Amino acid sequence: KAGVTQTPRYLIKTRGQQVTLSCSPISGHRSVSWYQQTPGQGLQFLFEYFSETQRNKGNFPGRFSGRQFSNSRSEMNVSTLELGDSALYLCASSFLAGGLGNEQFFGPGTRLTVL
Amino acid sequence: AQTVTQSQPEMSVQEAETVTLSCTYDTSESDYYLFWYKQPPSRQMILVIRQEAYKQQNATENRFSVNFQKAAKSFSLKISDSQLGDAAMYFCAYNNAGNMLTFGGGTRLMVKP
Repeated sequence: KAGVTQTPRYLIKTRGQQVTLSCSPISGHRSVSWYQQTPGQGLQFLFEYFSETQRNKGNFPGRFSGRQFSNSRSEMNVSTLELGDSALYLCASSFLAGGLGNEQFFGPGTRLTVL
Repeated sequence: AQTVTQSQPEMSVQEAETVTLSCTYDTSESDYYLFWYKQPPSRQMILVIRQEAYKQQNATENRFSVNFQKAAKSFSLKISDSQLGDAAMYFCAYNNAGNMLTFGGGTRLMVKP
């Protein structure tokens, strides 16, 4: 079974631009979560989607948005990029969405650099 | 808001020895899970072990075990018979809502041959 895939793996943008990152979960997984990893702030939860609905959202400005498609693939978008948005963006998928303690499988991440 | 603290930014261990990584958390919830994730240089996060707060028995996965002290809000990871492949960043994480994880700052583990 293929793992979680994220595209692109690397991205360079300039301030003010917008960017879209994609995540394809493991086949059969319907929950997708996004995390931002930076040296200063560490790993921070962005949002979680299940069956095309956002279930949880982290404390990020409205410039960060996401969506999930009927095939469970998810995209996140960052508008009006700032230098501080430079980070590794990780996507995780899970078969289960209800309850707690579900095992999540992470993708390799997308490294975004904002110049 | 829940917080997770890992007080050891770096740890080192001799190959074949045992090392313990510390984690404390703060929550007012009674139902939650705790996890340890490993992030090797490839950056792909891997689940090491998880513990349900209601279970008194400490979780064990092969060479990895935890010491879960609910009253003290402490959740340490013990790695026995350390191997070179154990070298990585280790993150403690808390979960009490959906699949949302709150991570600690991480501990970099170095394994000396």
